[in-house]
Amino acid sequence: SYELTQPPSVSVSPGQTARITCSGDALPNQYAYWCQQKPGQAPVLVMYKDNERPSGIPERFSGSSSGTTVTLTISGAQAEDEADYYCQSADSSGSFVVFGGGTKLTVL
Amino acid sequence: EVQLVESGGGLVQPGGSLRLSCAASGFTFSTYWMHWVRQAPGKGLVWVSRINRDGTSTSYADSVKGRFTISRDNAKNTLYLQMNSLRAEDTAVYYCARGNWNYGIDYWGQGTLVTGSS
Repeated sequence: SYELTQPPSVSVSPGQTARITCSGDALPNQYAYWCQQKPGQAPVLVMYKDNERPSGIPERFSGSSSGTTVTLTISGAQAEDEADYYCQSADSSGSFVVFGGGTKLTVL
Repeated sequence: EVQLVESGGGLVQPGGSLRLSCAASGFTFSTYWMHWVRQAPGKGLVWVSRINRDGTSTSYADSVKGRFTISRDNAKNTLYLQMNSLRAEDTAVYYCARGNWNYGIDYWGQGTLVTGSS
């Protein structure tokens, strides 16, 4: 079955740049989406179609894609950005949706 | 404002059945694909199922195929998940989510907890 691979954790100091990667064989042909989940809360979309930012999401969030890897970048990470981040996409045929395992971002 | 409100979760014995509902408001329900996504306690998000706009096309994760059925009633703006032959490993918060673009998900409900336990 198709998988998306994320690092389990990323840690940065406040004001530094955090980069969270997501790898998958079908990513050159399928868009990636990113959601943020804080403890006890529902996920919130923070990036769509690789690099489009939804309204209301701070400009410090950006997305990029290169080959089989997509990256969510948080420039000048803040304490409020501490959360779990999940990438999401589809398999090459577009039949199934898949999530990465999630990355816990720590800002301290 | 897009709102998705799940209901129907609870405690169910292994082998039992449960039907989840998701009431949608704030958007034209019939024009969007819809998904169910679950999250076991302390674990990551796992996609469960999706349905197209008019309910004629569905797909399922291998782990629930043959046991779960997704459906929708566009007249009632409601999404459903019928869960049969429940197992302990189905224990999770189940989220209703709106689909957009190519298999993207843009809005999530608050979730409903399903606990499979004897």
